[in-house]
Amino acid sequence: DTGVSQDPRHKITKRGQNVTFRCDPISEHNRLYWYRQTLGQGPEFLTYFQNEAQLEKSRLLSDRFSAERPKGSFSTLEIQRTEQGDSAMYLCASRTGRGSPLHFGNGTRLTVT
Amino acid sequence: ELKVEQNPLFLSMQEGKNYTIYCNYSTTSDRLYWYRQDPGKSLESLFVLLSNGAVKQEGRLMASLDTKARLSTLHITAAVHDLSATYFCAVPYTGNQFYFGTGTSLTVIP
Repeated sequence: DTGVSQDPRHKITKRGQNVTFRCDPISEHNRLYWYRQTLGQGPEFLTYFQNEAQLEKSRLLSDRFSAERPKGSFSTLEIQRTEQGDSAMYLCASRTGRGSPLHFGNGTRLTVT
Repeated sequence: ELKVEQNPLFLSMQEGKNYTIYCNYSTTSDRLYWYRQDPGKSLESLFVLLSNGAVKQEGRLMASLDTKARLSTLHITAAVHDLSATYFCAVPYTGNQFYFGTGTSLTVIP
């Protein structure tokens, strides 16, 4: 169990640019989640994959956000035309089945200038 | 939509004292999870509560779940400085979306 790995750890970008983050879940975990966390708040659900299928997506998620999980392994989260309000910590988590906890990665901190 | 509320939001307590953090949620769920987050770090799973009346203990922390009251508690016994962190409860919704509370920031003062 090497843990959930996220890359990059930090990303600074200018408003209007596109960014992409990567998440490698724990290998035997078929369920993968993306969350966003801002200072002083709890993590906010963005989207959920079971294997390669994206099964749930937050209604709050702008169409500038897209996520993929090809072949049910790693996942990418892309934000197009970034805005300052996108600045946050983006957390990836994975887990096995019902009743198991989320295992979080260390996150990617995005700063949009 | 599920709402998860924690109180208090901020807690400053002296070493050796006891205290309880409360987590209330707005819709039916038979499971609840507690996490810890240290400053600048990610979230670490503390407890998984899978049924009404479930109680779990680890060291100075004990968590319980009352699904009928839609309430979970995290009890701290004889606090020590190492317990200083932010604690979150999380409730699954539609089975796979986990809704997190706003967190309780705990500071243990020597």
